[in-house]
Amino acid sequence: AQSVTQLGSHVSVSEGALVLLRCNYSSSVPPYLFWYVQYPNQGLQLLLKYTSAATLVKGINGFEAEFKKSETSFHLTKPSAHMSDAAEYFCAVSDDSGGSNYKLTFGKGTLLTVNP
Amino acid sequence: SQTIHQWPATLVQPVGSPLSLECTVEGTSNPNLYWYRQAAGRGLQLLFYSVGIGQISSEVPQNLSASRPQDRQFILSSKKLLLSDSGFYLCAWNLNIRTEAFFGQGTRLTVV
Repeated sequence: AQSVTQLGSHVSVSEGALVLLRCNYSSSVPPYLFWYVQYPNQGLQLLLKYTSAATLVKGINGFEAEFKKSETSFHLTKPSAHMSDAAEYFCAVSDDSGGSNYKLTFGKGTLLTVNP
Repeated sequence: SQTIHQWPATLVQPVGSPLSLECTVEGTSNPNLYWYRQAAGRGLQLLFYSVGIGQISSEVPQNLSASRPQDRQFILSSKKLLLSDSGFYLCAWNLNIRTEAFFGQGTRLTVV
């Protein structure tokens, strides 16, 4: 069974500071990993995804994430936070574990606050 | 291009009343379809998913049911709502598990 753990339900940074949002996954087979962003009262938008190509994945809005198999991690980073980055961020996992497993499983989310 | 429509955007229903939320996808065929519920601090809880017409997988035993009467239509229902059914419901689709999932704008359900 697959699962996702996001460490820190709330992260607060200053504008211009590094953003680091943590995600660890569990999967019995090589995973597919995603980061989504959600603005208030809206659906989710894809930031980036890892599907077994390059381990360092670049996404939209200056975000990137690195897949580390040894650490079962897929942390999201951005060198310099902008006020518009304030939102909730979700890490998600799916995998080819076979059968009828078409599930896309999400973590509990991390609310990012950016202070001026 | 593909689009996903989910309605209504907000809904206030009394306890014990029925529920029907509808989601439709345009511009693609045979999508995987998902219903999620989002509660504060709990992330997205997968309720149902479907890989084809009439094929529904339930993740959490509860007061809700789902149906897929057409390829690109996914309906979330309840015969009698409970207070605990309040939340933000999201419909989503993807073509397979390796590809991006696209989300509707969500329905804010308040059961009173």
